Amino acid sequence: DAMVIQNPRYQVTQFGKPVTLSCSQTLNHNVMYWYQQKSSQAPKLLFHYYDKDFNNEADTPDNFQSRRPNTSFCFLDIRSPGLGDAAMYLCATSGPTGEMVNYGYTFGSGTRLTVV
Amino acid sequence: GNSVTQMEGPVTLSEEAFLTINCTYTATGYPSLFWYVQYPGEGLQLLLKATKADDKGSNKGFEATYRKETTSFHLEKGSVQVSDSAVYFCALTNSGAGSYQLTFGKGTKLSVIP
Repeated sequence: DAMVIQNPRYQVTQFGKPVTLSCSQTLNHNVMYWYQQKSSQAPKLLFHYYDKDFNNEADTPDNFQSRRPNTSFCFLDIRSPGLGDAAMYLCATSGPTGEMVNYGYTFGSGTRLTVV
Repeated sequence: GNSVTQMEGPVTLSEEAFLTINCTYTATGYPSLFWYVQYPGEGLQLLLKATKADDKGSNKGFEATYRKETTSFHLEKGSVQVSDSAVYFCALTNSGAGSYQLTFGKGTKLSVIP
């Protein structure tokens, strides 16, 4: 089945130690997104890629970076995780605008990040 | 800008009760509207959608009708089950100017008790 896969499901990292979360998709979608979701809150968009074009949200901290080496994969790098970065990180994909307005996004199952 | 307002939760219902979760939106033009569901520890799943005024989205017994006159997209289900316990997010996207942003409401937690 075509899908969005996030690894790992659970990640524990030390305060200040760089960590990378990964996302892959078999949908061949142009657009990939990273969201941060803290407990009992709505997902918050960090950035997205349209193909290779990177789009950062204005309020995304510099501590968060992303890479998209090819259509299928996208990575979220947290350079120096703080306690406040503990959250669920959700990857999502969508097709071009026309498809997105009709079908929305497809989400992965998320990676729960704990910072100790 | 775009915004979505959902009723505050949590909502606790007995099995087989009727469910309504209110959602209203603010957007220019003609947004598409969605309901996503998030089960505990999981990502978001698309529950239903509507892309133009008066469209009714439906799935798994849930329904929502796109009401442009009241800028609403309320989620309803006639008889909830314990397995419907989850967090429900109303969301919209607006294709104007090539925007890819999906704007979420704050979510409503539903608990269904036997």
